[in-house]
Amino acid sequence: EDQVTQSPEALRLQEGESSSLNCSYTVSGLRGLFWYRQDPGKGPEFLFTLYSAGEEKEKERLKATLTKKESFLHITAPKPEDSATYLCAVQAGTGRRALTFGSGTRLQVQP
Amino acid sequence: GAVVSQHPSWVICKSGTSVKIECRSLDFQATTMFWYRQFPKQSLMLMATSNEGSKATYEQGVEKDKFLINHASLTLSTLTVTSAHPEDSSFYICSVSSSGAYEQYFGPGTRLTVT
Repeated sequence: EDQVTQSPEALRLQEGESSSLNCSYTVSGLRGLFWYRQDPGKGPEFLFTLYSAGEEKEKERLKATLTKKESFLHITAPKPEDSATYLCAVQAGTGRRALTFGSGTRLQVQP
Repeated sequence: GAVVSQHPSWVICKSGTSVKIECRSLDFQATTMFWYRQFPKQSLMLMATSNEGSKATYEQGVEKDKFLINHASLTLSTLTVTSAHPEDSSFYICSVSSSGAYEQYFGPGTRLTVT
Protein backbone atom coordinates (compact mmCIF):
# COMPACT_ATOMS: atom_id res chain seq x y z
CA GLU A 1 0.00 0.00 0.00
CA ASP A 2 1.32 3.42 -0.96
CA GLN A 3 1.97 5.72 1.99
CA VAL A 4 2.96 9.36 2.34
CA THR A 5 3.98 10.97 5.62
CA GLN A 6 4.57 14.70 5.95
CA SER A 7 6.33 16.52 8.75
CA PRO A 8 5.99 18.70 10.62
CA GLU A 9 2.19 18.90 10.85
CA ALA A 10 2.42 22.63 11.46
CA LEU A 11 5.21 25.15 11.17
CA ARG A 12 5.32 28.76 12.21
CA LEU A 13 8.09 30.94 10.76
CA GLN A 14 9.03 34.56 10.95
CA GLU A 15 9.17 36.40 7.65
CA GLY A 16 12.57 35.75 6.10
CA GLU A 17 13.25 32.64 8.21
CA SER A 18 14.05 29.80 5.79
CA SER A 19 13.04 26.21 6.51
CA SER A 20 12.22 22.84 4.93
CA LEU A 21 9.16 20.61 4.84
CA ASN A 22 9.59 16.84 4.65
CA CYS A 23 7.64 14.22 2.70
CA SER A 24 8.54 10.57 3.25
CA TYR A 25 6.99 8.02 0.94
CA THR A 26 6.57 4.33 0.28
CA VAL A 27 5.26 3.50 -3.18
CA SER A 28 5.27 0.66 -5.67
CA GLY A 29 7.59 2.11 -8.28
CA LEU A 30 7.39 5.87 -8.16
CA ARG A 31 5.94 7.41 -11.29
CA GLY A 32 5.87 10.93 -9.93
CA LEU A 33 5.92 12.93 -6.69
CA PHE A 34 3.84 16.09 -6.58
CA TRP A 35 3.76 19.16 -4.37
CA TYR A 36 0.64 21.23 -4.08
CA ARG A 37 -0.30 24.34 -2.12
CA GLN A 38 -3.78 24.58 -0.62
CA ASP A 39 -5.30 27.73 0.82
CA PRO A 40 -8.25 27.43 3.25
CA GLY A 41 -11.51 26.59 1.52
CA LYS A 42 -9.86 26.15 -1.90
CA GLY A 43 -8.64 23.33 -4.08
CA PRO A 44 -4.95 22.40 -4.26
CA GLU A 45 -2.75 24.46 -6.56
CA PHE A 46 -0.10 22.55 -8.49
CA LEU A 47 3.52 23.46 -7.68
CA PHE A 48 5.96 20.77 -8.82
CA THR A 49 6.34 17.29 -10.23
CA LEU A 50 9.51 15.29 -9.50
CA TYR A 51 10.19 12.05 -11.32
CA SER A 52 13.50 10.60 -10.17
CA ALA A 53 15.98 10.75 -7.29
CA GLY A 54 18.34 13.68 -7.54
CA GLU A 55 15.89 15.87 -9.38
CA GLU A 56 15.32 19.45 -8.18
CA LYS A 57 12.82 22.10 -9.23
CA GLU A 58 12.48 25.74 -8.23
CA LYS A 59 9.75 28.34 -8.34
CA GLU A 60 10.28 31.72 -6.73
CA ARG A 61 11.05 31.05 -3.04
CA LEU A 62 10.30 27.32 -3.26
CA LYS A 63 12.66 24.51 -4.16
CA ALA A 64 11.67 20.84 -4.23
CA THR A 65 14.15 17.97 -4.08
CA LEU A 66 13.74 14.22 -4.30
CA THR A 67 15.59 11.16 -2.99
CA LYS A 68 14.59 7.51 -3.18
CA LYS A 69 12.73 7.74 0.14
CA GLU A 70 11.73 11.36 0.65
CA SER A 71 11.23 14.79 -0.79
CA PHE A 72 11.91 18.18 0.71
CA LEU A 73 10.23 21.49 -0.01
CA HIS A 74 12.67 24.24 0.89
CA ILE A 75 11.25 27.69 1.51
CA THR A 76 13.79 30.50 1.29
CA ALA A 77 13.08 33.85 2.96
CA PRO A 78 9.33 33.21 3.19
CA LYS A 79 6.74 35.96 3.09
CA PRO A 80 3.32 36.04 4.81
CA GLU A 81 1.66 35.22 1.48
CA ASP A 82 3.43 31.85 1.54
CA SER A 83 1.18 30.84 4.44
CA ALA A 84 -0.84 27.81 3.34
CA THR A 85 -1.02 24.04 3.68
CA TYR A 86 1.54 22.27 1.53
CA LEU A 87 0.53 18.82 0.31
CA CYS A 88 2.76 16.07 -1.02
CA ALA A 89 1.36 13.27 -3.17
CA VAL A 90 2.73 10.25 -5.03
CA GLN A 91 1.64 8.38 -8.10
CA ALA A 92 2.66 4.74 -8.35
CA GLY A 93 4.13 3.19 -11.46
CA THR A 94 1.48 0.50 -11.50
CA GLY A 95 -0.70 2.15 -14.11
CA ARG A 96 -3.04 3.44 -11.43
CA ARG A 97 -3.20 7.17 -12.00
CA ALA A 98 -4.70 8.18 -8.69
CA LEU A 99 -2.66 10.24 -6.26
CA THR A 100 -1.99 9.26 -2.66
CA PHE A 101 -1.75 12.36 -0.50
CA GLY A 102 0.02 13.06 2.74
CA SER A 103 -1.77 14.90 5.52
CA GLY A 104 0.00 18.16 4.73
CA THR A 105 2.09 20.75 6.55
CA ARG A 106 0.28 23.90 7.67
CA LEU A 107 2.71 26.76 7.26
CA GLN A 108 2.20 30.12 8.90
CA VAL A 109 4.60 32.96 8.13
CA GLN A 110 4.38 35.88 10.50
CA PRO A 111 5.40 39.41 9.45
CA GLY B 1 -1.89 24.08 -16.07
CA ALA B 2 -5.56 23.42 -16.66
CA VAL B 3 -8.36 25.70 -15.48
CA VAL B 4 -11.03 23.74 -13.65
CA SER B 5 -14.32 25.03 -12.30
CA GLN B 6 -16.85 23.50 -9.94
CA HIS B 7 -20.48 24.38 -9.40
CA PRO B 8 -21.85 25.11 -6.95
CA SER B 9 -19.07 26.37 -4.70
CA TRP B 10 -21.22 25.60 -1.69
CA VAL B 11 -24.57 23.93 -1.12
CA ILE B 12 -26.82 23.20 1.84
CA CYS B 13 -29.37 20.42 1.50
CA LYS B 14 -31.73 18.54 3.76
CA SER B 15 -31.12 14.98 4.84
CA GLY B 16 -32.59 12.49 2.36
CA THR B 17 -32.35 14.74 -0.68
CA SER B 18 -29.89 14.47 -3.58
CA VAL B 19 -27.41 17.06 -4.77
CA LYS B 20 -25.41 17.29 -7.99
CA ILE B 21 -21.95 18.82 -8.25
CA GLU B 22 -20.46 19.74 -11.62
CA CYS B 23 -16.80 19.77 -12.55
CA ARG B 24 -15.75 21.47 -15.78
CA SER B 25 -12.39 21.56 -17.49
CA LEU B 26 -12.39 24.96 -19.19
CA ASP B 27 -9.29 24.82 -21.38
CA PHE B 28 -8.20 21.21 -21.29
CA GLN B 29 -9.41 17.91 -22.68
CA ALA B 30 -9.73 15.82 -19.55
CA THR B 31 -9.66 12.18 -20.50
CA THR B 32 -9.63 11.31 -16.83
CA MET B 33 -11.31 13.05 -13.93
CA PHE B 34 -10.96 12.27 -10.26
CA TRP B 35 -13.25 13.03 -7.32
CA TYR B 36 -11.80 13.58 -3.87
CA ARG B 37 -13.34 14.27 -0.48
CA GLN B 38 -11.67 16.28 2.26
CA PHE B 39 -12.84 16.46 5.86
CA PRO B 40 -11.75 19.38 8.10
CA LYS B 41 -8.04 19.40 8.82
CA GLN B 42 -7.57 16.17 6.91
CA SER B 43 -5.98 15.45 3.57
CA LEU B 44 -7.67 14.54 0.31
CA MET B 45 -9.11 11.06 -0.03
CA LEU B 46 -9.81 9.71 -3.49
CA MET B 47 -13.39 8.62 -4.02
CA ALA B 48 -13.41 7.56 -7.66
CA THR B 49 -11.71 7.80 -11.03
CA SER B 50 -13.66 8.30 -14.21
CA ASN B 51 -12.61 8.10 -17.84
CA GLU B 52 -14.64 9.87 -20.49
CA GLY B 53 -17.40 7.61 -21.75
CA SER B 54 -16.70 4.83 -19.25
CA LYS B 55 -18.07 3.82 -15.89
CA ALA B 56 -16.27 5.23 -12.89
CA THR B 57 -13.93 3.15 -10.75
CA TYR B 58 -14.67 3.60 -7.06
CA GLU B 59 -12.23 3.30 -4.19
CA GLN B 60 -12.77 0.67 -1.55
CA GLY B 61 -15.39 1.78 0.95
CA VAL B 62 -17.06 4.32 -1.37
CA GLU B 63 -20.66 3.38 -2.20
CA LYS B 64 -21.15 3.62 -5.95
CA ASP B 65 -24.94 3.72 -5.60
CA LYS B 66 -24.71 6.66 -3.25
CA PHE B 67 -22.09 8.69 -5.13
CA LEU B 68 -23.10 8.62 -8.78
CA ILE B 69 -20.44 9.82 -11.20
CA ASN B 70 -21.00 10.67 -14.85
CA HIS B 71 -18.18 11.69 -17.21
CA ALA B 72 -20.08 12.27 -20.41
CA SER B 73 -17.59 14.51 -22.21
CA LEU B 74 -13.97 15.61 -22.14
CA THR B 75 -14.94 18.77 -20.29
CA LEU B 76 -17.66 17.76 -17.84
CA SER B 77 -18.04 15.32 -14.98
CA THR B 78 -20.79 15.29 -12.37
CA LEU B 79 -20.99 13.82 -8.89
CA THR B 80 -24.45 13.22 -7.47
CA VAL B 81 -24.77 12.53 -3.78
CA THR B 82 -28.01 10.59 -3.39
CA SER B 83 -30.06 10.43 -0.20
CA ALA B 84 -27.58 12.67 1.55
CA HIS B 85 -26.96 12.34 5.28
CA PRO B 86 -25.18 14.70 7.67
CA GLU B 87 -22.09 12.47 7.61
CA ASP B 88 -21.78 13.24 3.87
CA SER B 89 -21.05 16.85 4.75
CA SER B 90 -17.58 17.52 3.41
CA PHE B 91 -15.48 19.41 0.88
CA TYR B 92 -15.67 17.71 -2.52
CA ILE B 93 -12.91 18.45 -5.01
CA CYS B 94 -12.47 17.25 -8.58
CA SER B 95 -9.27 17.07 -10.56
CA VAL B 96 -8.49 16.57 -14.25
CA SER B 97 -5.74 14.86 -16.14
CA SER B 98 -5.06 14.25 -19.79
CA SER B 99 -4.02 11.01 -21.44
CA GLY B 100 -0.40 10.19 -20.71
CA ALA B 101 0.08 13.16 -18.38
CA TYR B 102 1.25 12.80 -14.82
CA GLU B 103 -0.12 15.95 -13.24
CA GLN B 104 -3.62 16.50 -11.93
CA TYR B 105 -5.15 19.95 -11.79
CA PHE B 106 -7.77 20.62 -9.17
CA GLY B 107 -11.00 22.55 -9.09
CA PRO B 108 -11.83 25.05 -6.34
CA GLY B 109 -13.98 22.57 -4.44
CA THR B 110 -17.62 22.38 -3.34
CA ARG B 111 -18.59 22.64 0.31
CA LEU B 112 -21.59 20.38 1.00
CA THR B 113 -23.53 20.73 4.23
CA VAL B 114 -26.35 18.29 4.93
CA THR B 115 -28.78 19.36 7.65
